[in-house]
Amino acid sequence: KNEVEQSPQNLTAQEGEFITINCSYSVGISALHWLQQHPGGGIVSLFMLSSGKKKHGRLIATINIQEKHSSLHITASHPRDSAVYICAVEYTGNQFYFGTGTSLTVIP
Amino acid sequence: EPEVTQTPSHQVTQMGQEVILRCVPISNHLYFYWYRQILGQKVEFLVSFYNNEISEKSEIFDDQFSVERPDGSNFTLKIRSTKLEDSAMYFCASSEAIGRAGLNGYTFGSGTRLTVV
Repeated sequence: KNEVEQSPQNLTAQEGEFITINCSYSVGISALHWLQQHPGGGIVSLFMLSSGKKKHGRLIATINIQEKHSSLHITASHPRDSAVYICAVEYTGNQFYFGTGTSLTVIP
Repeated sequence: EPEVTQTPSHQVTQMGQEVILRCVPISNHLYFYWYRQILGQKVEFLVSFYNNEISEKSEIFDDQFSVERPDGSNFTLKIRSTKLEDSAMYFCASSEAIGRAGLNGYTFGSGTRLTVV
């Protein structure tokens, strides 16, 4: 069964803190996506990974294919980072499965 | 920056009615997708579309659903006879190709909130 597990479900951090959100999946994938869903509902694609690590500004995403695990890190967190972060895995044939999301609140 | 445009942003329809949700993907993108998110639940994949045909669909995408690219720019999702449980936010997305497009893979539209009453 294709499962995508995210942790934690909810996360509250002080501004400036380093944040880590984790994602685990159960079977081999062709790619893993990190998405950001704003309070209004809109979705932004942050990263697409099939191996290694990617960095964009204060965001870093890593993936360990052998362990079937990915992490999203936010350095120097800011209140505008408050959103739901969603991990989604893509299988061959571009079928997608989504995690339930991690709700992040960054307090000034 | 190029955008995926969805219309309408909110649609209310009576149970049993047909609805068509519209999306204009980014012009040089080749792959198109529909997702839905029932309120309070996770995003679910519905269907992917490439070269004028469905390339993959989920169990949710039953005979009540259909997709079309009628004119080379729009990408539509039709629900033939809506049910209460079809109430959700529907997101369209597009990508240049599977497995590329630099930092990000996909561009999402802002969604259409469908309410079936």
